[in-house]
Amino acid sequence: DAGVIQSPRHEVTEMGQEVTLRCKPISGHNSLFWYRQTMMRGLELLIYFNNNVPIDDSGMPEDRFSAKMPNASFSTLKIQPSEPRDSAVYFCASTANVGHEQFFGPGTRLTVL
Amino acid sequence: AQSVTQLDSQVPVFEEAPVELRCNYSSSVSVYLFWYVQYPNQGLQLLLKYLSGSTLVKGINGFEAEFNKSQTSFHLRKPSVHISDTAEYFCAVSSWGGNTPLVFGKGTRLSVIA
Repeated sequence: DAGVIQSPRHEVTEMGQEVTLRCKPISGHNSLFWYRQTMMRGLELLIYFNNNVPIDDSGMPEDRFSAKMPNASFSTLKIQPSEPRDSAVYFCASTANVGHEQFFGPGTRLTVL
Repeated sequence: AQSVTQLDSQVPVFEEAPVELRCNYSSSVSVYLFWYVQYPNQGLQLLLKYLSGSTLVKGINGFEAEFNKSQTSFHLRKPSVHISDTAEYFCAVSSWGGNTPLVFGKGTRLSVIA
């Protein structure tokens, strides 16, 4: 199994640009989570989906952030427009109904200049 | 609401010495408990988890943790550390039931000194 796949691994962009982060969960997993890691705030949940349906997006910081899961094998997190304070590592994780373990991708390191 | 407190932000320890990383949690509902490890520039990897049953759980790489409900703690231990254990360690909780999000502590940086 390839594990959770995220792309790109690194993204450097300028303030005001649109950024799209991508995630492919482990096949057969029915829940997908987006987390953000910063030095100041640590690891925090942005949004999660069960069976492709968004369940809780209360962690999404502003309307500039949006996430979609059009099918069971793909999700995107979009920031438009991006700001320097969005610089962070963004992790995607997936899990199945049993075991409760979340499997994390390698993360996308976003730098907004 | 849930919260996790990792009492030490940094723990230096000599190689082959024992180590304990402390974790306390707060929750109004029953929770599952987890320890994850993060090596530099990598994602998080599960070390061990407590779902139910025996309060002493064993994980990968020789780590173990004990769930103490009365003290709301889930401390991580290893009897003899190696250089390769140098990493960031995160304690996390999630609510019972279906697939729910993890709430993380701030992390503890374990540095193993040769």
